[in-house]
Amino acid sequence: SQTIHQWPATLVQPVGSPLSLECTVEGTSNPNLYWYRQAAGRGLQLLFYSVGIGQISSEVPQNLSASRPQDRQFILSSKKLLLSDSGFYLCAWSVYKNTGELFFGEGSRLTVL
Amino acid sequence: AQKITQTQPGMFVQEKEAVTLDCTYDTSDQSYGLFWYKQPSSGEMIFLIYQGSYDEQNATEGRYSLNFQKARKSANLVISASQLGDSAMYFCAMNSGYSTLTFGKGTMLLVSP
Repeated sequence: SQTIHQWPATLVQPVGSPLSLECTVEGTSNPNLYWYRQAAGRGLQLLFYSVGIGQISSEVPQNLSASRPQDRQFILSSKKLLLSDSGFYLCAWSVYKNTGELFFGEGSRLTVL
Repeated sequence: AQKITQTQPGMFVQEKEAVTLDCTYDTSDQSYGLFWYKQPSSGEMIFLIYQGSYDEQNATEGRYSLNFQKARKSANLVISASQLGDSAMYFCAMNSGYSTLTFGKGTMLLVSP
């Protein structure tokens, strides 16, 4: 069966510090991978998605970046965090060419102080 | 462009009663998919139900059913026999072709004993 894990689950970082959130998927090959952000009391905002290694599409211009060094690994990064980067970050995967049914990770709660 | 509207920020229902969560959508595509996700307080997003735009029958999954009214562009979620564990945030979403999912802002459902 397929599983998705992301970590860390909780992160408190000062403004200006770097960020690295990691997500891995097991039990499937060539998945579509996604990073979403959910601000308090709001819906999900798609940040990045990837259809293959090294292929990243950015939906929202910001100081975040994403990388996909391996087929089932997706990393969200920032060189310098802003207060506005606080939120709940969710990694997700879907079957290749099926962008509808998403399988989400447990989420990472980021607080920037 | 696709748009999902959930007009109910919060809903209350008593245990064992049925509840309807509203969702309207806007798209110029003829072929599209509609989805509902549940987000409990733990934060993880859970896929509930899917309806294709060409499906003639309303989708059902256990206690969940999707009341699909194409002419009105609505895709309401009906939960029958509510349980305490149904208390959560519910998101309506849609996609078309290979586009990524567009989510609504969600409805918080509280089930009381």
